[in-house]
Amino acid sequence: GENVEQHPSTLSVQEGDSAVIKCTYSDSASNYFPWYKQELGKRPQLIIDIRSNVGEKKDQRIAVTLNKTAKHFSLHITETQPEDSAVYFCAASSGTYKYIFGTGTRLKVLA
Amino acid sequence: DADVTQTPRNRITKTGKRIMLECSQTKGHDRMYWYRQDPGLGLRLIYYSFDVKDINKGEISDGYSVSRQAQAKFSLSLESAIPNQTALYFCATSDLAGGRYEQFFGPGTRLTVL
Repeated sequence: GENVEQHPSTLSVQEGDSAVIKCTYSDSASNYFPWYKQELGKRPQLIIDIRSNVGEKKDQRIAVTLNKTAKHFSLHITETQPEDSAVYFCAASSGTYKYIFGTGTRLKVLA
Repeated sequence: DADVTQTPRNRITKTGKRIMLECSQTKGHDRMYWYRQDPGLGLRLIYYSFDVKDINKGEISDGYSVSRQAQAKFSLSLESAIPNQTALYFCATSDLAGGRYEQFFGPGTRLTVL
């Protein structure tokens, strides 16, 4: 069945360093890849997304890259800050409005 | 602001009891979803609905049922709750706005089954 693998499950970085979270999807029909951030006790919220006709998208300190051939996509956070500490989820959708989520990455930014 | 709301926010119940979790939205979206979140397992889709007359099973629908009473309301029921249904439950909505498929989540309901 459809599957999204996400790594690592936990990630600790020093403040100011970069963080990279990677996802792999199985459904070749997937064409939309959002990333959600969930702060402790809060609801998941979209932080960036990318469609399959684009290889990279950037929004200030966050960027997402997509390799359709390898079925990989990654989230990059530069100049990390303590407020970036959260759980991050990737997801893949084939345009049917149904997401398959990854299992999440708990990011800790150490001051 | 348009929002997605869930009631109750917390619920403790006993094995075998029937439980209903409710979701309402003022976003005017057609599509609504129920997910459960467990540590290390991410968000898993229970049921989804593309409109009032369209209900679909997700990847983990066993033990759950849903009702789409109106465009704005989507309820999740546990007919006979069991302890492994203890989880955080999220409702979400979406529509095709500008070609995006963004899903908007409610605040979640923490359910404990004893």
